[in-house]
This record gives sequence, structure tokens and C-alpha cells, in this order.
Amino acid sequence: KNEVEQSPQNLTAQEGEFITINCSYSVGISALHWLQQHPGGGIVSLFMLSSGKKKHGRLIATINIQEKHSSLHITASHPRDSAVYICAGNTGNQFYFGTGTSLTVIP
Amino acid sequence: DGGITQSPKYLFRKEGQNVTLSCEQNLNHDAMYWYRQDPGQGLRLIYYSQIVNDFQKGDIAEGYSVSREKKESFPLTVTSAQKNPTAFYLCASSIVTRENQPQHFGDGTRLSIL
Repeated sequence: KNEVEQSPQNLTAQEGEFITINCSYSVGISALHWLQQHPGGGIVSLFMLSSGKKKHGRLIATINIQEKHSSLHITASHPRDSAVYICAGNTGNQFYFGTGTSLTVIP
Repeated sequence: DGGITQSPKYLFRKEGQNVTLSCEQNLNHDAMYWYRQDPGQGLRLIYYSQIVNDFQKGDIAEGYSVSREKKESFPLTVTSAQKNPTAFYLCASSIVTRENQPQHFGDGTRLSIL
């Protein structure tokens, strides 16, 4: 069993839909990261959070420390949001990565 | 602009051959990492380095070697001992502080066997 589990594995949405990707972790972590991997393979860090909620544009990330659960929300989704979204937890230099959620937004 | 540069983007290896993947960063980060990504799996740590001339094995170091002679550079050699080298390789870097820091990633190198 992976230390970090994501759901769903694959997600297809119509443009404009509200999207939620979930992440659960079973190890103690000091921070939770959401990453975006584009089709070419490069990865961009979207959020790093230890508690509460963060918002950047149409993206919102939340974390519930007690339940060891985080969610990434995308409002008013757009085809350019199509990518793989990866959840990761870290404690010091040790990172635990989920297997990713592949999102496709259809025009 | 600051960032991480990985080269080449695509690399082919013959049986029994060693190949070296390049990773350079101009972010002045102390820590650098090499990850391997396989379909359906999360990123797995191969090696990491927190300071020049020092590096530590990750979860899947067998068949790989690294060096850290300069702060900016952390090349990865895939040796002939790595029997299943076909994968996507990602290099990352981060600041080393007491607080949590995000990792910055390169665009990756895709290695295939001929």
C-alpha cells in the first residue's frame, strides 16, 4: 500500500465544470504538496500546505490534518488544465508521492 | 530566468552501456534529487545530495551512480548494472532550511533501451 493514495486515477470533465481530486496519506508528514505534470513531462509545484486552505487563481487546495486528507479543487475548468496532478507529502527531505490523477478537460 | 535544466530530453542506451543524464540548476539551491518515474507508479527517489561532495542513496539506488562536484550540477549515470533502465528521469532541487520547502523540477529525460 502506498503511503500516499490519490483518487480518481483518471478524470474527464467538460469545460467549465468544478473538479475535485482527493489525496489521503498514511504517514506523518510536515507538509503536503500538489504538483502539476504537463504532457511533456515537466513538473510544476502548485501548492505547499501544512494546514487549512490555499488559493491561487482557479485552484484551491485544502488539507485536514486530523483526517490525513487533502483535496485539490479546480473551478471553471479549462482544456489547458489537462495534466497529471500529483499529491506528495514530505517530512524533512523524505518525499512520498502519489501515483497521480490524469485530468482531461474537454472543450 | 532561474531554473533546472535537464539534458538530453531523450536518450537511448545500448545493452551494456553506461549513460549519463545531466542536471544543472541556477537557483542556488543546496539540495538536489534524482527521481525515476514509471507508468502507474509514483516518483521514486534514486539519489539525493544536500551539499557539494556529499550524496545519499534513495530507495532505488542500485545500478545508478551520481556525483556532486559543483553546487549547480548533479549528473546521474545509469550503469549497465541497471537491468531495467527504461523510464522517465526527473531531477529536482530545493533550498535547505528548517522549514518545509517546495521542490523545483526539471523537464525530465526519457531513457529507452535500443
